[in-house]
Amino acid sequence: GAGVSQSPRYKVAKRGQDVALRCDPISGHVSLFWYQQALGQGPEFLTYFQNEAQLDKSGLPSDRFFAERPEGSVSTLKIQRTQQEDSAVYLCASSRGLEGAVNTGELFFGEGSRLTVL
Amino acid sequence: AQSVAQPEDQVNVAEGNPLTVKCTYSVSGNPYLFWYVQYPNRGLQFLLKYITGDNLVKGSYGFEAEFNKSQTSFHLKKPSALVSDSALYFCAVRDFHGSSNTGKLIFGQGTTLQVKP
Repeated sequence: GAGVSQSPRYKVAKRGQDVALRCDPISGHVSLFWYQQALGQGPEFLTYFQNEAQLDKSGLPSDRFFAERPEGSVSTLKIQRTQQEDSAVYLCASSRGLEGAVNTGELFFGEGSRLTVL
Repeated sequence: AQSVAQPEDQVNVAEGNPLTVKCTYSVSGNPYLFWYVQYPNRGLQFLLKYITGDNLVKGSYGFEAEFNKSQTSFHLKKPSALVSDSALYFCAVRDFHGSSNTGKLIFGQGTTLQVKP
């Protein structure tokens, strides 16, 4: 597709359930980010992939959060044993180049997956 | 640590009037600054960026931003607001610190722009 695609758009989970959120980045984009956006807040960084390598996972709030991008394209964010504080919109973003000091390209965001934990 | 601050939760302007959405930053080294817009139930869309060069940066939809190093500010501006500009606006700075040198974006809290007819 033309843009970053995320699914599901909406997910309601009972506390304790596991959830998986999918991101299809723009074809050929090397870099992929996951962000968490709580209600009324700005997005907060979770993790970063360069192709299939997860180079930064410093933003993951706990070991219940796990992300992967096994073939360097589609990525999945998994949350185990969901808690109410996990309720948020999870945004995926991709960019064409490498996200180091030299590259300052813009990020292309998906519409997000809204997770509600009851 | 790198950070940005958006001091206004909401900005109200009348259609046709100029608008300003404020952003200040705190970085070590040269700042790489961005503005994004978010419409309801949509992802963030890139508006403009400042990396180096001219302090006045022009972006999408008639928006521009002025980089002011002495005031550590990067305010978003538009000469004549449209009702369709009503949305949530985020200022962001690139964070190049850390062992991975990720270059991840650090976002402000966001400012809701309401343009009234």
